[in-house]
Amino acid sequence: QVQLVQSGTEVKKPGASVKVSCKASGYTFTGYHIHWVRQAPGQGLEWLGRINPNTGGTDYAQKFQGRVTLTRDTSISTCYMDLSRLTSDDTAEYYCARGGQQPYMDVWGKGTTVSVSS
Amino acid sequence: SYDLAQPPSVSVSPGQTASITCSGDALPKQYAYWYQLKPGQAPMLVIYKDTKRPSGIPERFSGSSSGTTVTLTISGVQAEDEADYYCQSADNGGVGEVVFGGGTKVTVL
Repeated sequence: QVQLVQSGTEVKKPGASVKVSCKASGYTFTGYHIHWVRQAPGQGLEWLGRINPNTGGTDYAQKFQGRVTLTRDTSISTCYMDLSRLTSDDTAEYYCARGGQQPYMDVWGKGTTVSVSS
Repeated sequence: SYDLAQPPSVSVSPGQTASITCSGDALPKQYAYWYQLKPGQAPMLVIYKDTKRPSGIPERFSGSSSGTTVTLTISGVQAEDEADYYCQSADNGGVGEVVFGGGTKVTVL
């Protein structure tokens, strides 16, 4: 079945970086985009960006430009989200999700908790 | 990017109909999508391209569109439908930035 498996909980200090992975299975990895979305405690959903695993092309939300980097490794069907210069405001659940030509997400990972605290 | 406006909360009795609106200037030109989010679970797509229902989503979930407003309707609400619901669309310009509404908490009384 189509599945996205994310890496485990991360605890970081302010100013550090975090890298979250998302391993795809059950479909053609290069046939669909991977989006990254987060939800801070008590807040709504927020889009960080997307990557085209076929080309490596990326689009980032204006808010996160220069601070987020999306990459992929096609040999292991895995995408990565790297967020730098962390602050406590980055404490959130981070999700990867599969998307197609239209900008919606039909399959989601279970989420990765990122906690930023001194 | 731009904003999608949703009511913060909607309350409904079991068996009744819940309607959640989502307003945004780009909606006449961009499709809307709806997600259900329950505590401790990943979001789930319940409506795509304004009105289409993914396989496995109950028929009581439906979507409609009129001008700058789209609506998610849950007919015959069940207790298991209590959740947060988010609309989503994309910006008309630039990279087509994905935008989410602020979310609506549906409470089943």
